[in-house]
Amino acid sequence: AQRVTQPEKLLSVFKGAPVELKCNYSYSGSPELFWYVQYSRQRLQLLLRHISRESIKGFTADLNKGETSFHLKKPFAQEEDSAMYYCALKSGSGNTGKLIFGQGTTLQVKP
Amino acid sequence: NAGVTQTPKFRVLKTGQSMTLLCAQDMNHEYMYWYRQDPGMGLRLIHYSVGEGTTAKGEVPDGYNVSRLKKQNFLLGLESAAPSQTSVYFCASKDSGPGETQYFGPGTRLLVL
Repeated sequence: AQRVTQPEKLLSVFKGAPVELKCNYSYSGSPELFWYVQYSRQRLQLLLRHISRESIKGFTADLNKGETSFHLKKPFAQEEDSAMYYCALKSGSGNTGKLIFGQGTTLQVKP
Repeated sequence: NAGVTQTPKFRVLKTGQSMTLLCAQDMNHEYMYWYRQDPGMGLRLIHYSVGEGTTAKGEVPDGYNVSRLKKQNFLLGLESAAPSQTSVYFCASKDSGPGETQYFGPGTRLLVL
C-alpha cells in the first residue's frame, strides 16, 4: 500500500537551532516525493521536490530509498519558518498527478 | 492572475442540507483536485479530474459528487451533509506536463451541525 507517515504532529525549536522534519513512505516502485508548506493565513504551496535536488529557503531533503525516508532539514531555523509542513508522494503510475499526503507536522520556531 | 479561487470561504450547514463548493482556476490547467483537510489526517483526496468532462474518485469519495463541465471550474457537491463532513476543503489544479506542482486554493471551511 502507498502511504506517507509524518510521525511528529508538532516540532518546536528555538531560532537558530537545526530542524529535521521526518517523513517515511511506503511505495513499491520508484517514488517521487515532495514537501508542501502552509504558512499562517496562506495557501498550501510546493516547497521542494526530490527530483530537483534543490534548496529552497535553506531547506533540503534527501531521498533515502534504503530507509524509505525523505526528511526535511534546515541547519538554522528562522521564526518565519513556522508553518505546517506536509510530505507528499506521487500516487500510482501514469500522469494523473495524484498525491498522497502525510498527516502534517507543525513547526514552531521560538525566538 | 487570480490562480485558484474557491467559493464560499466559510459555510455552516445543518445535517441533511445540500450545497456546492466552487473551484475556479485561470491557469488553463487540465487537472483539478478536491481535498479535505482534517486534524491529524493531513489532506485526503476526494475526487479529481484530468480534463473537462471527466472525473474520478479519490481516497474518500463517499458522500460527495463532482462535475467538470468547464475546464476552468470544478464543482464539489454535498447532497445530504453530515457532521462527519465538517472539514476544510481545498481545491488544487495542475497542468498536464511532467511537473507535479499542484496549485492550491485558499480553502473553504465547512461546519455541519
